[in-house]
Amino acid sequence: NAGVTQTPKFQVLKTGQSMTLQCAQDMNHNSMYWYRQDPGMGLRLIYYSASEGTTDKGEVPNGYNVSRLNKREFSLRLESAAPSQTSVYFCASSGGLAGGHEQFFGPGTRLTVL
Amino acid sequence: GIQVEQSPPDLILQEGANSTLRCNFSDSVNNLQWFHQNPWGQLINLFYIPSGTKQNGRLSATTVATERYSLLYISSSQTTDSGVYFCAVPHYGGSQGNLIFGKGTKLSVKP
Repeated sequence: NAGVTQTPKFQVLKTGQSMTLQCAQDMNHNSMYWYRQDPGMGLRLIYYSASEGTTDKGEVPNGYNVSRLNKREFSLRLESAAPSQTSVYFCASSGGLAGGHEQFFGPGTRLTVL
Repeated sequence: GIQVEQSPPDLILQEGANSTLRCNFSDSVNNLQWFHQNPWGQLINLFYIPSGTKQNGRLSATTVATERYSLLYISSSQTTDSGVYFCAVPHYGGSQGNLIFGKGTKLSVKP
């Protein structure tokens, strides 16, 4: 059981470039989440998917898009990267709706936008 | 929305000392999680504790849901305990299941 995996681990982009962060879980969880963590802060929600086929905006969705490809995979896309998107990105998953289940996190992707 | 406050923001301990970290939240919750973010950035699940007390080795946690707080106890601290400790609670807005995180307690354990 790998849990939650994320690729890549590190990425450097130039302003205006695009990229997709990949996330997969092997725990048969229904819900998946993308968070970002900025220095000295806790995590903030970007987008989430309560179940396969649904996605919703979180607290800081501007500049991002997501795709719930299937039950296992949830990707985050930056269409035109900006320096303000320099952050560490975490993917998480949990068993059910309404946060009633424990969330597990991937190792994170450290993104720098120059 | 729900607010989560953690204290103290920073804590420096000598190896072998005990400590208590506090998490206050502004509204009723049905669960609460404690995480340790190690110096490499990895988030490690410590406890999933909506109420009551749980223990795991040198760590234990107590949540008093009716009084809206949780405590994390670290006994006989080791240098490997260094890092940031976060508590997080669900944000029950509509169908959202995401967690709301506190700003964390940064723990440094000196040898």
